[in-house]
Amino acid sequence: QVQLQESGPGLVKPSQTLSLTCTVSGGSISSGGYYWSWIRQHPGKGLEWIGYIYYSGSTYYNPSLKSRVTISVDTSKNQFSLKLSSVTAADTAVYYCARVLSSGSGTSHWFDPWGQGTLVTVSS
Amino acid sequence: SYELTQPPSVSVSPGQTARITCSGDALPKQYAYWYQQKPGQAPVLVIYKDSERPSGIPERFSGSSSGTTVTLTISGVQAEDEADYYCQSADSSGTVVFGGGTKLTVL
Repeated sequence: QVQLQESGPGLVKPSQTLSLTCTVSGGSISSGGYYWSWIRQHPGKGLEWIGYIYYSGSTYYNPSLKSRVTISVDTSKNQFSLKLSSVTAADTAVYYCARVLSSGSGTSHWFDPWGQGTLVTVSS
Repeated sequence: SYELTQPPSVSVSPGQTARITCSGDALPKQYAYWYQQKPGQAPVLVIYKDSERPSGIPERFSGSSSGTTVTLTISGVQAEDEADYYCQSADSSGTVVFGGGTKLTVL
């Protein structure tokens, strides 16, 4: 079964770029059929969708974060990555990666499974 | 921006039925999904496409939809069901949206 694992620095300085990688095991990103997503959760708060990517490189971002987000894919490593620029303390959160499933029409998406999450703190 | 509204908390005694609602204007046109999140753990999908149950999820979890409200029902609640529950859907442009979450307390 597919498993996802996030990795990256747990501490990022304000104004810098947050970079995380999600490694997928038990299945190939390049086999198609799924998007791959990043979602975050501020401490003690709810969930916020960041964006997702297809193995071909097509991306879809949350409009509220679009100007600062880049999601990329490396099929040779079976990984996809998140970059969030110009971070502030408001970007402190647990960041999750997840596989995206879609309805037949492709207009509805949901997330299963999720990685365990990684806490990123923005602080000087 | 589009919002999904959930009650902050629901309390129920063991063996009783818990109902958690999620309201949103686009729900008549968009499927809803439900996730269970226990402390320190990642969310787990418990209902997809309004009422479908993934394999491995107990039958006591069910979902329904009526107009602008979807409902997650947990029948015969067990202590292990105590968790935060989030609904998820999308707006008319396809932007994914999560509800604010509901803390289920098993008394």
